[in-house]
Amino acid sequence: AQSVTQLDSHVSVSEGTPVLLRCNYSSSYSPSLFWYVQHPNKGLQLLLKYTSAATLVKGINGFEAEFKKSETSFHLTKPSAHMSDAAEYFCVVSDPNSGGYQKVTFGTGTKLQVIP
Amino acid sequence: GAVVSQHPSWVICKSGTSVKIECRSLDFQATTMFWYRQFPKQSLMLMATSNEGSKATYEQGVEKDKFLINHASLTLSTLTVTSAHPEDSSFYICSARGVGGPETQYFGPGTRLLVL
Repeated sequence: AQSVTQLDSHVSVSEGTPVLLRCNYSSSYSPSLFWYVQHPNKGLQLLLKYTSAATLVKGINGFEAEFKKSETSFHLTKPSAHMSDAAEYFCVVSDPNSGGYQKVTFGTGTKLQVIP
Repeated sequence: GAVVSQHPSWVICKSGTSVKIECRSLDFQATTMFWYRQFPKQSLMLMATSNEGSKATYEQGVEKDKFLINHASLTLSTLTVTSAHPEDSSFYICSARGVGGPETQYFGPGTRLLVL
């Protein structure tokens, strides 16, 4: 069984300061991991993904995440927050061997607030 | 590339009516589409996985007679909420898989359903 835990339901940072959104996962296999962003009343946009290539993954809008197998973590970071980064962020794990087809599990989400 | 659309974006209906939501992959062929439901301030819950030309696979607890899914072509899947009731009010999001590797899902903008 796979699971994903987003440790913070709400993160607040000042504009221009670093962002850290934490995600830990559990999977019986080598998972694929994703971060998605959802702005209010909008669909989800893929920020970045890890699929067993480089452990440090760079995404759009200056975000990046590092896959750490020993810590079962996939934290999302950005050096300097922008007002437009305020949104809900979801960490997602995809297990390629679940029931013979790809199955994804979403974290509960982290709401990022950026203070001017 | 990899754009997924949903129609309608908003729907308000009376209790007892049926509502059809369309999910289209605009610039790629989607062999698999997924339907999710999102309650306010909560994460996405997978409802069903739809493969083109075959019956959808529903998650535990999802009524397949209530939520009819049809994946008639490689670019279109539909979700019909039959005899909708107020408790069916929610944000419904579809995703499609076909490019960027089998693990990556691309999400539609969502459909907000309000049943009066």
